[in-house]
Amino acid sequence: AQSVTQLDSHVSVSEGTPVLLRCNYSSSYSPSLFWYVQHPNKGLQLLLKYTSAATLVKGINGFEAEFKKSETSFHLTKPSAHMSDAAEYFCVVSERAAGNKLTFGGGTRVLVKP
Amino acid sequence: NAGVTQTPKFQVLKTGQSMTLQCAQDMNHNSMYWYRQDPGMGLRLIYYSASEGTTDKGEVPNGYNVSRLNKREFSLRLESAAPSQTSVYFCASSEVGGLGSDTQYFGPGTRLTVL
Repeated sequence: AQSVTQLDSHVSVSEGTPVLLRCNYSSSYSPSLFWYVQHPNKGLQLLLKYTSAATLVKGINGFEAEFKKSETSFHLTKPSAHMSDAAEYFCVVSERAAGNKLTFGGGTRVLVKP
Repeated sequence: NAGVTQTPKFQVLKTGQSMTLQCAQDMNHNSMYWYRQDPGMGLRLIYYSASEGTTDKGEVPNGYNVSRLNKREFSLRLESAAPSQTSVYFCASSEVGGLGSDTQYFGPGTRLTVL
């Protein structure tokens, strides 16, 4: 069975400083991994996706994530936070063997201070 | 392309009332999904339809029914609403099938309150 753990429910950063959102996953097979962002009262937007090609994945808005199989991690980073990055972020795993059903982490809410 | 659209955006029901949430996608995707989002729990899958004409239960199907009306449309019905069904409901679609992409695209959500 697949599962996802987001290690921080809340992260607070100052504008212009780096952002790190931590995610660990469990999967029986080679998974697809995603990061989605949800701004207040909005739907989910895909930030980036890993599908067994390059282990460092670049996404939209300056975000990137690194897949580390040995650590079963898929942490999301951004070098310099912007006020518009304040949102909730979800780490998600999908397996073809599981019918491509998504399993979501509990979410990390990011607060950006001026 | 509108992507994935959902109606209504907001709804308030009384316990025991019924309603149908509508979802449509214009990306010619094969698979469609219904999720509910509750605080601190991420999104949980209610039902999904891997292809036109098929539907399957997800993680939390009790109290819900679905209909895959055609390739574009996938509706979610609450026959007798309960306060525990107060949530935000998201519809999603993905290409899948064969070598298709498993990336899911989400609608804007329906915020449902059951009193």
